[in-house]
Amino acid sequence: GDSVTQMEGPVTLSEEAFLTINCTYTATGYPSLFWYVQYPGEGLQLLLKATKADDKGSNKGFEATYRKETTSFHLEKGSVQVSDSAVYFCALSGVDSWGKLQFGAGTQVVVTP
Amino acid sequence: DSGVTQTPKHLITATGQRVTLRCSPRSGDLSVYWYQQSLDQGLQFLIHYYNGEERAKGNILERFSAQQFPDLHSELNLSSLELGDSALYFCASSPQLMTGAGSYTFGSGTRLTVV
Repeated sequence: GDSVTQMEGPVTLSEEAFLTINCTYTATGYPSLFWYVQYPGEGLQLLLKATKADDKGSNKGFEATYRKETTSFHLEKGSVQVSDSAVYFCALSGVDSWGKLQFGAGTQVVVTP
Repeated sequence: DSGVTQTPKHLITATGQRVTLRCSPRSGDLSVYWYQQSLDQGLQFLIHYYNGEERAKGNILERFSAQQFPDLHSELNLSSLELGDSALYFCASSPQLMTGAGSYTFGSGTRLTVV
């Protein structure tokens, strides 16, 4: 079945550092790929998405590129802020899934001043 | 405020009991998804309803059931509760059946603690 693997956290960074969170997936066909963010005490918010190979999703300075050849969708941000501290989830929606999401385990990011 | 309302926000109950979690989707959204978030299992899809009909089931226990009412709100019923059912339960809604490839809106969740 479909699965998502993302790097374990916590990831601790200083403000203005470069952030990368690795995400790889297993799925048949061409799934849609997502990054969701969860701030403390809140629900998940869609950060960005890509629906076909080589698409780049971007939002709020975050970027991720759908790489079919490496089955990856790594999240990057060039200069993090304290407000980026959250848990980040990589997810996929398979071709026959009727929109339900398969999530990775989540990666906690802590940004210190 | 995401527009998806979940009540209650917190629930503490004893083992063996039954609880009902409620979700009101964003205005106009016909699809409701339920997810369970726990430390050991992560985020797991439970069930999907579209316009009152069950469309897909995931890792939902037989002790759990759900329904979507004519006004489109949904309820998740959890019975014969066990300690391991303690988790955050999220619902998410979207306008369509095929949900624009997973881009839906989450509520802030109900934290269930079974003691």
